[in-house]
Amino acid sequence: EAQVTQNPRYLITVTGKKLTVTCSQNMNHEYMSWYRQDPGLGLRQIYYSMNDEVTDKGDVPEGYKVSRKEKRNFPLILESPSPNQTSLYFCASNRAGGSGYGYTFGSGTRLTV
Amino acid sequence: AQSVTQPDIHITVSEGASLELRCNYSYGATPYLFWYVQSPGQGLQLLLKYFSGDTLVQGIKGFEAEFKRSQSSFNLRKPSVHWSDAAEYFCAVGPQIDMRFGAGTRLTVKP
Repeated sequence: EAQVTQNPRYLITVTGKKLTVTCSQNMNHEYMSWYRQDPGLGLRQIYYSMNDEVTDKGDVPEGYKVSRKEKRNFPLILESPSPNQTSLYFCASNRAGGSGYGYTFGSGTRLTV
Repeated sequence: AQSVTQPDIHITVSEGASLELRCNYSYGATPYLFWYVQSPGQGLQLLLKYFSGDTLVQGIKGFEAEFKRSQSSFNLRKPSVHWSDAAEYFCAVGPQIDMRFGAGTRLTVKP
């Protein structure tokens, strides 16, 4: 089954304790992104990646890191989490091309700091 | 820079009634436009998309949307709402890698 897999689904941590949220896709998609969803704000893009080793900042990158060492994986790293990073996080992947393919989303990770 | 406005935070309709969710966008070129639905506790599912061609696009679950360039709008419609349509709906504008989402419209369906 074609899908984007995020882990864990729920995560409770304390301020300053480094954590990683994993994301993997099995569709051979070139594009991958991380979004955070907050009430009244919709989804805001944190980072995106156009292919292996290529990443770029979205609208709200502060406090986050990503890596794209291989095409299928795109982990989100919070080196020193803070309470304002409590949110619902989504990983998504998309194929490159000119026909406007939409993102396929994972099931989300609810983080509480 | 692209942006999306969904003017209605919350809409309530009766089951069987028609539905229209509004979306206005700002984009400098021909936009990619999308509607997604999020059921409680779930991820986002793509309902439909527009890039070019016919301005009325059909999607899954009986939804359709109409692109109106002159009004910078991409409103979502359904002729008869079912209780299972209760969810949050997000409009988004492309490009594919750098999509911007609206704040969402929560739909409640009355029996």
